Amino acid sequence: DIQMTQSPSSLSASVGDRVTITCQASQDITNFLNWYQLKPGKAPKLLIYDASNLETGVPSRFSGSGSGTDFTFTISSLQPEDIATYYCQQYDNLPYSFGQGTKLEIK
Amino acid sequence: EVQLVESGGGLVKPGGSLRLSCAASGFTFSAYSMNWVRQAPGKGLEWVSSIGLSSTYIYYADSVEGRFIISRDNAKNSLYLQMNSLRAEDTAVYYCARGPDGFFNYWGQGTLVTVSS
Repeated sequence: DIQMTQSPSSLSASVGDRVTITCQASQDITNFLNWYQLKPGKAPKLLIYDASNLETGVPSRFSGSGSGTDFTFTISSLQPEDIATYYCQQYDNLPYSFGQGTKLEIK
Repeated sequence: EVQLVESGGGLVKPGGSLRLSCAASGFTFSAYSMNWVRQAPGKGLEWVSSIGLSSTYIYYADSVEGRFIISRDNAKNSLYLQMNSLRAEDTAVYYCARGPDGFFNYWGQGTLVTVSS
């Protein structure tokens, strides 16, 4: 099984800050990597697919990069509505697996 | 607008059964693979099961293999998860998600399953 190691597990930042989350796969997953946003009581939302593609309707301050085993998710300028938990997920191989999540808070 | 609405969650005793449903609308249900993903309290996301367009393929996580059964009714635009021999560790919010081959591009808001005596 492919293990996804996501860091940090929590992050406190100020509005306007640049925020970066990393995700490492235990083996090469090419670019089969997605990023999701979870807010309490709401449906999870796909933000980035195939490592670097912005899902339709998602603000351009969100971006992703990487390939192989190392991936990065960035919010270029943190907004109050970005408070959520973010997860990476590989879909190169079954069982599909997620990172442990990064809880983002406003400082 | 794509909508996925889960139902059927609740409190069940260990060893019991529960059937979750997911009602889909706003897209051609029969044209998409469907999935169940769960989140235990205070924990991360865990993929549970996937089913192909006409149930052509079905996959399960090892943690539920042999106890859970995924199915779909394309005429009713509905996805199901029959959960048997439930354990405390199955306690979670269960999400229905649309998407091919592990790519979850739309999710419902989830239904809570609590397994406790």
